Amino acid sequence: EIVMTQSPATLSVSPGERATLSCRASQSVGSNLAWYQQNPGQAPRVLIYGASTRATGIPARFSGSGSGTEFTLTISSLQSEDFAVYYCQQYNNWPPYTFGQGTKLEIK
Amino acid sequence: QLQLQESGPGLVKPSETLSLTCSISGGSISSTNYYWGWIRQPPGKGLEWIGSVYYNGNTYYNPSLKSRVTMSEDTSKNQLSLNLRSVTAADTAVYYCSSGFIGSFDYWGQGTLVTVSS
Repeated sequence: EIVMTQSPATLSVSPGERATLSCRASQSVGSNLAWYQQNPGQAPRVLIYGASTRATGIPARFSGSGSGTEFTLTISSLQSEDFAVYYCQQYNNWPPYTFGQGTKLEIK
Repeated sequence: QLQLQESGPGLVKPSETLSLTCSISGGSISSTNYYWGWIRQPPGKGLEWIGSVYYNGNTYYNPSLKSRVTMSEDTSKNQLSLNLRSVTAADTAVYYCSSGFIGSFDYWGQGTLVTVSS
């Protein structure tokens, strides 16, 4: 099973600033990685798939990069609605599909 | 636009079977474009993939749950079902029905909280 590790667990950033979230895989997943955003009481929403492709309707301030074992989600200028929990998920070696433990992005 | 809606009991007794249904609208469960699955999230914790069903009928389960899980499709009702046997308190979670087409999970239901308690 591929273990996905996200860092940091909590990230405090001011609105308007840039946020950088990291995700590491225990072995290479190529570019088969997705990022999700989850607001309290809501289902996750896919932001990025293929490591760097924005899903339909996702604002351009969200960008993904990386391949192999190291991945980054960058939010270029934080808006109030971006403060949420973010998860990465690999779909290269499955079953099982595996998720990271999440990064909580909070207002500084 | 694909829409998913989970339904089922919100309370299940320990050792019993958790049974949920996902009703699909805006698309066919028989479509070759999508796969369908269940993902759960214990309160305050992260996401765990339970299993997925593919258009060719192949079903894959998380090895950690495989001995207790069964998923099936009802094409006449356009529904996906989940049965999880011999539940314990550790199975208390929000259960999501989800769908995708390239490996990510692109469509999600609102989720349903299932509590395991006597």
